[in-house]
Amino acid sequence: QQQVKQSPQSLIVQKGGISIINCAYENTAFDYFPWYQQFPGKGPALLIAIRPDVSEKKEGRFTISFNKSAKQFSLHIMDSQPGDSATYFCAASKGSGGSNYKLTFGKGTLLTVNP
Amino acid sequence: DAGITQSPRHKVTETGTPVTLRCHQTENHRYMYWYRQDPGHGLRLIHYSYGVKDTDKGEVSDGYSVSRSKTEDFLLTLESATSSQTSVYFCAGRDRGGEQYFGPGTRLTVT
Repeated sequence: QQQVKQSPQSLIVQKGGISIINCAYENTAFDYFPWYQQFPGKGPALLIAIRPDVSEKKEGRFTISFNKSAKQFSLHIMDSQPGDSATYFCAASKGSGGSNYKLTFGKGTLLTVNP
Repeated sequence: DAGITQSPRHKVTETGTPVTLRCHQTENHRYMYWYRQDPGHGLRLIHYSYGVKDTDKGEVSDGYSVSRSKTEDFLLTLESATSSQTSVYFCAGRDRGGEQYFGPGTRLTVT
């Protein structure tokens, strides 16, 4: 059972455009939603994260939008740059200690930003 | 995260041999995790630790064991490697703010 579904699998965007990656989750107990960025040959790096007490969080060109009723969250990359070309993973976890903070990951989106 | 290192970074081994991967952290993370990454599957949790000598299974634990004798080191062992365990393995640690940080990974090939 895939608890976090991510789409699209791959995305091609022109430089300066907006990249949008979507995730949907099933477990209503999830209360922590991070996004990771991974470059080839490297480990995933935390990009931005949100908790469900807010509907949006912005850090620079990266924004998470969160819709609790729809059980969906998305990553928006504004003014996309070739250096943003990477694989992006969404994830979710139950924040309280009983789950030991285990993350469930989406399958990833390969973003290519053309110059 | 420079605070988490993994060794070896690359390993080729034969089917049936035991293999141990090491994760070392200098951030005093209480919680640590081992994941495997495969094309089309994303990152899947193998085992995790919530303290010294406290470990538990993740979603893909069959064929793997872990040990944590001190806070800094979290070891992943493949008792008898199989070709299906060819993968990239990542260790991660969770900080007090709730964020997980990953090591650089170990690429394991089982021939």
